[in-house]
Amino acid sequence: KNEVEQSPQNLTAQEGEFITINCSYSVGISALHWLQQHPGGGIVSLFMLSSGKKKHGRLIATINIQEKHSSLHITASHPRDSAVYICAVTMYSGGGADGLTFGKGTHLIIQP
Amino acid sequence: DTGVSQNPRHKITKRGQNVTFRCDPISEHNRLYWYRQTLGQGPEFLTYFQNEAQLEKSRLLSDRFSAERPKGSFSTLEIQRTEQGDSAMYLCASSRIRAGHNEQFFGPGTRLTVL
Repeated sequence: KNEVEQSPQNLTAQEGEFITINCSYSVGISALHWLQQHPGGGIVSLFMLSSGKKKHGRLIATINIQEKHSSLHITASHPRDSAVYICAVTMYSGGGADGLTFGKGTHLIIQP
Repeated sequence: DTGVSQNPRHKITKRGQNVTFRCDPISEHNRLYWYRQTLGQGPEFLTYFQNEAQLEKSRLLSDRFSAERPKGSFSTLEIQRTEQGDSAMYLCASSRIRAGHNEQFFGPGTRLTVL
């Protein structure tokens, strides 16, 4: 069983829809990261959070430490949001002492 | 551009050859990480440095792999006697630890194809 699980694996939606991507983890963490990866490989850090909620533009990330669950929301989705969204955690032990442990990613396609 | 850079961006090699990749982190970042990502999967941790010291290596890093960061700035990742299973995207990230935060900034990656 992977330590970081994401759902869904693939998501296709229409422009303007509200998008939710979920991440569950099974280990103790010091931080959870949401990353965006476009075709070609480049990874951009969207959020790093250890509690509560963060918002940046149309993106919102929440985390529930007790339930070991985080969600990434995209409001008013746009075709340029199409990318792979990856959840990653920094574990208290293992995972390379601050090296990230990643989920497999959610492949999001927003159709015009 | 003052982000993380990686060279080369693409490398095609024949099985059995040695390859070396370079990562230049953001200049004030003291931590540097190497990850590997195979097609359709999330990245996996390989190793990391704090300044010039290599502090941890994943068991994924076989003895054919070696990484260095000799002056605490750029890093190299060498793969000896490449195998087809080494084909992957090799990602580098850097960070500066402050107040317990460790936000990592990623480079564009080096895509390795072993024929």
